[in-house]
Amino acid sequence: GAVVSQHPSWVICKSGTSVKIECRSLDFQATTMFWYRQFPKQSLMLMATSNEGSKATYEQGVEKDKFLINHASLTLSTLTVTSAHPEDSSFYICSAPGELSSYNEQFFGPGTRLTVL
Amino acid sequence: AQKITQTQPGMFVQEKEAVTLDCTYDTSDPSYGLFWYKQPSSGEMIFLIYQGSYDQQNATEGRYSLNFQKARKSANLVISASQLGDSAMYFCAMREPNFNKFYFGSGTKLNVKP
Repeated sequence: GAVVSQHPSWVICKSGTSVKIECRSLDFQATTMFWYRQFPKQSLMLMATSNEGSKATYEQGVEKDKFLINHASLTLSTLTVTSAHPEDSSFYICSAPGELSSYNEQFFGPGTRLTVL
Repeated sequence: AQKITQTQPGMFVQEKEAVTLDCTYDTSDPSYGLFWYKQPSSGEMIFLIYQGSYDQQNATEGRYSLNFQKARKSANLVISASQLGDSAMYFCAMREPNFNKFYFGSGTKLNVKP
């Protein structure tokens, strides 16, 4: 099946620094990827849609200047949390649609746990 | 408005028994997809089962089945013969057809007791 990887799997950073999270589709091409944020014991909240070769589409209430998304190739999307603060600590998950699958389901990365001190 | 509603924050089930996890959804689009995902403590999202809005029969995948009641807009997940490894968070999700977006419910934490 389709595999999506994320790097790093966890990261701890100081307040005010920027953190980059990578999402890769390993055995398929993804013109679209999605970024979610999940707080402890809560659901996944869609942050933005990453589009290869064009600007990302952000959900309402998500600061585009804070969460920079770059989809430079058909297999890589990056999420940069700029000037991170403790309230940005969360579990970040990316996904890519499985266009070749029967159900067109989302294939999820393993997630990145961000802790901002 | 909430697109996906899961009203059971937590559920307990005895090992080897069946359990039903509730999910209702809200959409005016006639074409949609409904999914269930399992999220163990490791955080990964594991696809379990899919039901298309035009599917006439309820979906089944091994021990998982989906009780799809279109008129009631419900898509309950039934897990038969529960195993200890089934203990996890379970999320119901709906795919919006035009933009491929997924909307998730708040999840149900399932605990399987030995």
